[in-house]
Amino acid sequence: DAGVIQSPRHEVTEMGQEVTLRCKPISGHDYLFWYRQTMMRGLELLIYFNNNVPIDDSGMPEDRFSAKMPNASFSTLKIQPSEPRDSAVYFCASNTLARLYNEQFFGPGTRLTVL
Amino acid sequence: QKEVEQNSGPLSVPEGAIASLNCTYSDRGSQSFFWYRQYSGKSPELIMFIYSNGDKEDGRFTAQLNKASQYVSLLIRDSQPSDSATYLCAVNNAGNMLTFGGGTRLMVKP
Repeated sequence: DAGVIQSPRHEVTEMGQEVTLRCKPISGHDYLFWYRQTMMRGLELLIYFNNNVPIDDSGMPEDRFSAKMPNASFSTLKIQPSEPRDSAVYFCASNTLARLYNEQFFGPGTRLTVL
Repeated sequence: QKEVEQNSGPLSVPEGAIASLNCTYSDRGSQSFFWYRQYSGKSPELIMFIYSNGDKEDGRFTAQLNKASQYVSLLIRDSQPSDSATYLCAVNNAGNMLTFGGGTRLMVKP
């Protein structure tokens, strides 16, 4: 069974450019989470969806960040315009409360470098 | 602000020793607790979860929870060099959200 899939795995871009990160959750999972990880701030929750609906976006740093989930198998996180301080590893995770416990399964991450 | 605190380390232990990793949390309403392991350059993977006060054992790993003290720990027995990683404590305190600690870096020396 495929795990959470993220693309691209690495992204290098220049300041001011638009960046789009993609995620495919595990089939059957109805929750999807976007995290950002940096050395300084650790692993931070940006936004999460339930049944494709955004539930909590209080972690989104500012209006330059937006996330969508058009269907149960696809989500995007967009940064426009990107800034050097956005450089981080972005993880997508998914789970379902239909299991006994709410373990979150993480994708491999996208390492973003903004020059 | 709901916080989860961990000592960043590095915690260095010799091979075969017991590694003890600790985590405290601020929200008394927290209900479930998770330990994730993260190798350098990789994504977090779950190794233990615990809901009830006391100990829970799984192979070489034991998770301990004390809700009165708001304290959760992870013991790794017979530590191996392959256990060298960063260990993240995560707490479920609202809905389906997890709050992660900053992680403790463990180094197991041969």
